[in-house]
Parts: sequence; structure tokens; C-alpha cells
Amino acid sequence: QVQLKESGPGLVQPSQTLSLTCTVSGFSLTSYHVSWVRQPPGKGLEWMGVIWTGGSTAYNSLLKSRLSISRDISKSQVFLKMNSLQTEDTATYYCARERGVVAPFDYWGQGVMVTVSS
Amino acid sequence: DIQMTQSPPSLSASLGDKVTITCQASQNINKYIAWYQQKPGKAPRLLIRYTSTLESGTPSRFSGSGSGRDYSFSISNVESEDIASYYCLQYVNLPYTFGAGTKLELK
Repeated sequence: QVQLKESGPGLVQPSQTLSLTCTVSGFSLTSYHVSWVRQPPGKGLEWMGVIWTGGSTAYNSLLKSRLSISRDISKSQVFLKMNSLQTEDTATYYCARERGVVAPFDYWGQGVMVTVSS
Repeated sequence: DIQMTQSPPSLSASLGDKVTITCQASQNINKYIAWYQQKPGKAPRLLIRYTSTLESGTPSRFSGSGSGRDYSFSISNVESEDIASYYCLQYVNLPYTFGAGTKLELK
């Protein structure tokens, strides 16, 4: 059974760093890429970045200077770190698996709501 | 970046109606468009990939079509469980980009 589950703090102070974990099961991180997608309250979806099956990464240019995605294959975990958070980074953060043009995001985590506020 | 222009932003329908949502890409996306349904407080659910391929479990009243830059998504015979927001996604080029969404409401 394929599952992804995000975890992390619900509240982050402005200018601080956000750290989120996506724990997956039912598939291998060497078989599927994992992306992070976020959604501000009441707004649309924004792709943030991906870690490929081979371990390399790609980021949305709008976030590239602040964003880092990594993984621990042995723990089936993917990590997101984003620094210099501002109030506009308040959003629900999702991880989702994909296989590029073969298969778009077919399984998603339930999402974690992150509020940036002092 | 490929821009996805989705319309309309909102749609009001009666049960049993047919509704159509469109997405226009800023360049040819070679049919690499997917459609998602999202209900409040839930993650998006993949309904259709590669323009018209229904995912397992997607009811046959959902359909997709298009080519080049222009794509559409339809629901025939709208049911109450279809009340949700819908998003298109192009996945041919990075950054992957979503349409702004369409909120389907009951009339």
C-alpha cells in the first residue's frame, strides 16, 4: 500500500528555517521521484522541487535560493529545508511521488499546514 | 516556464449537468496534461493523465481531450460527490505548473 506522510512544525517564525520530512512506504525512492508541492490557504498549487530516483534535485527558480531537498533511502524519507521564511510561505505542504512524463503525481501525502508567524 | 491558463475560475452546476473546464498552455505540451480533483482539507486526487487516460477508480463520467496548447476536462452527469476544485497540471517541462483551479459548486 503506497503511502506518503509529511511531518514537521506547524508554526515557524519569520526569517527562520522550515524543515519537513516526507516518510514513504509501499514504494522505493529509487523507483519514484518525490516532489514537494505547496498550497497557500484558499489558493492554488505550486510545485517547489523534486528529488530524482538517482538522488539529484531540481527546484522551482522562484524558490531555488532558499530551498534544499534531500533524502535518506534507508529510512524511506525525503527532507525539505527552506530558509528565510516569510508570511507568504504560510501554506499546506505536500509531498507527492511521480515518474515524470511516465506518470504525474499519483500519490500524495495528506499535507502539513505550516504557519509563518511571530 | 509554461503558463497554464485555466477557466473558468468557478462553475455552478445542477446535478446531472455536463460541465467543461479548459486549460491553455503557453506552449505545446504534447498532451502531457493531468487533471486533479481536490476537496477541502484533502490532498489533490489524480483523475486523468496524458490528456485522456483515466486513472483506476476514476468514474467514466470524467473525460479529457485536447492537443497542442488547448485542453479540456468534462464531467457529464454531475453528481454531488463531484463538488470540489479541479486543477490542470502540465508535466512535460520543469517547473511543473498547475492551472489556477476551478471551483465547482452546486446551483
